[in-house]
Amino acid sequence: DGGITQSPKYLFRKEGQNVTLSCEQNLNHDAMYWYRQDPGQGLRLIYYSQIVNDFQKGDIAEGYSVSREKKESFPLTVTSAQKNPTAFYLCASSIETGPDTQYFGPGTRLTVL
Amino acid sequence: AQSVAQPEDQVNVAEGNPLTVKCTYSVSGNPYLFWYVQYPNRGLQFLLKYITGDNLVKGSYGFEAEFNKSQTSFHLKKPSALVSDSALYFCAVRVNDYKLSFGAGTTVTVRA
Repeated sequence: DGGITQSPKYLFRKEGQNVTLSCEQNLNHDAMYWYRQDPGQGLRLIYYSQIVNDFQKGDIAEGYSVSREKKESFPLTVTSAQKNPTAFYLCASSIETGPDTQYFGPGTRLTVL
Repeated sequence: AQSVAQPEDQVNVAEGNPLTVKCTYSVSGNPYLFWYVQYPNRGLQFLLKYITGDNLVKGSYGFEAEFNKSQTSFHLKKPSALVSDSALYFCAVRVNDYKLSFGAGTTVTVRA
């Protein structure tokens, strides 16, 4: 899991609530990513950021929002508009976009009650 | 579209036997291919990658992978499996400058 931390490890949310997942890296990486993992489906890209104050939608951005105010931080907000938010969320970073390896954090498991 | 497929949902081997986890790819141009491993309730750990060069790539924990352009495959191998290798393995291909496309994963169980 290297120098990427995610918190909390487990998160429970009531329907209709927004929640924010934290991702911090001390690797001095420019690029950061958020993925969603569901059983049997691999990982799907939610958002990515190539540089501070810039981010782009991935394949499944609806119902999610992000910010990138600092190089080391890329928080993900799961809004009430996300219809099926229960999943395992993984943050990753790489030196830059391109063929560089993406390194992953330990993940946050979100459960909607 | 760039994609990978992992044809086996599960692989079961005895400890000490060779382990192979299969991955095939479909890309236009030169592929950038990756293998990751995931233990329960943990993030993905990078094992190895193929960018260019030698077809046999050596990685972490004794794993290696063979790039085969004619068969469009990138199978992960370990000569002698350990019980601690039991985990979920993902193959991935770089789609563009920011996106990886992951396979659905293969669960490896190594029995003592």
